[in-house]
Amino acid sequence: AQSVTQPDIHITVSEGASLELRCNYSYGATPYLFWYVQSPGQGLQLLLKYFSGDTLVQGIKGFEAEFKRSQSSFNLRKPSVHWSDAAEYFCAEVSSYKLIFGSGTRLLVRP
Amino acid sequence: EAEVAQSPRYKITEKSQAVAFWCDPISGHATLYWYRQILGQGPELLVQFQDESVVDDSQLPKDRFSAERLKGVDSTLKIQPAELGDSAMYLCASGTSVNEQFFGPGTRLTVL
Repeated sequence: AQSVTQPDIHITVSEGASLELRCNYSYGATPYLFWYVQSPGQGLQLLLKYFSGDTLVQGIKGFEAEFKRSQSSFNLRKPSVHWSDAAEYFCAEVSSYKLIFGSGTRLLVRP
Repeated sequence: EAEVAQSPRYKITEKSQAVAFWCDPISGHATLYWYRQILGQGPELLVQFQDESVVDDSQLPKDRFSAERLKGVDSTLKIQPAELGDSAMYLCASGTSVNEQFFGPGTRLTVL
């Protein structure tokens, strides 16, 4: 069965520091990949998506992600984290016409 | 900017009671999804509609859950009877395809 793995349950970074959230997908063919952000008690907001083409994808709020087929990874990055980035982040891929989500990574930001 | 609307935002109920959640998708979106998100996990698809037809309800516990989308616009998800394990966030999303989904704010259900 297809699955999306986010190995880090929690990550804590200092405000202004760089961030990388890890995601591994399992679907073998060219994947359709997404990153969503969820603030406490809220729905999901799309940060960025990858379907094909340039493997470095730019998203909203200064986020970017890089698709690496050799590593089956789609890691999310941000060069300088702001306190408002504290939230839960979900990686997802399309499989059998469904969105399959990872279990999420909770980002905590130290002042 | 158009948004997916959901109500209520919060619902507390006792086990064995019936609950219902409502979703109003973005106008023009033919596809509507209901997801369940258990605390600490990612959302899982319960049911997908294309217009008024169910496309996928393979993960919907049909003994107690039902969903409808009369007239292919807004949708209702019902649980009867509710069980303790149903406590979760219920998210509705709409879109033009599986690759383009917009999520509502969700309904947080607590079953006591």
